[in-house]
Amino acid sequence: KNEVEQSPQNLTAQEGEFITINCSYSVGISALHWLQQHPGGGIVSLFMLSSGKKKHGRLIATINIQEKHSSLHITASHPRDSAVYICAVRYTGNQFYFGTGTSLTVIP
Amino acid sequence: DAGVIQSPRHEVTEMGQEVTLRCKPISGHDYLFWYRQTMMRGLELLIYFNNNVPIDDSGMPEDRFSAKMPNASFSTLKIQPSEPRDSAVYFCASKGVEETQYFGPGTRLLVL
Repeated sequence: KNEVEQSPQNLTAQEGEFITINCSYSVGISALHWLQQHPGGGIVSLFMLSSGKKKHGRLIATINIQEKHSSLHITASHPRDSAVYICAVRYTGNQFYFGTGTSLTVIP
Repeated sequence: DAGVIQSPRHEVTEMGQEVTLRCKPISGHDYLFWYRQTMMRGLELLIYFNNNVPIDDSGMPEDRFSAKMPNASFSTLKIQPSEPRDSAVYFCASKGVEETQYFGPGTRLLVL
């Protein structure tokens, strides 16, 4: 019921490439978060979405409620974007379920 | 604000010992979350508090785990007795009225 799937699991890109990471969930949600975990382990919240699209710098996040799908895009990727990107969904209340993460490596 | 503060940052202990992890949320935040992250299972929510009251502890793995929040500025996660399979990174996060959660740096626990 609460499955959250991310793809791809691993992604290697050349600097400057456009990157897309996908997240699918199985039932209706209250909100979806994109998190970034740096190689050192720290976690940063990038976006919270309940509908539509958000943009912050080179990062764009979209969500399609009908298709139960969200994407995180990185334009003009840079080596400092190398991190694990995690999709998290919130159902009722504050119960969160997490995808397994996408490990991104951007090569100079 | 200094952000969410966790201590210790690293803990190495032997099987059977009691382990206590500490968290100081961001001042003014009324939600506090404890997460565990392992290679096998990824991030998992263990328990969360609202206004110092535990709301959902369904993610707590078993009775060896307990969490308390005696006041708005402090929470503990205790494991007694610890086992090697408890080895993980434990994150604390807090949030206020907005949806965004702010994560602490994590405590890396190794149980030998």
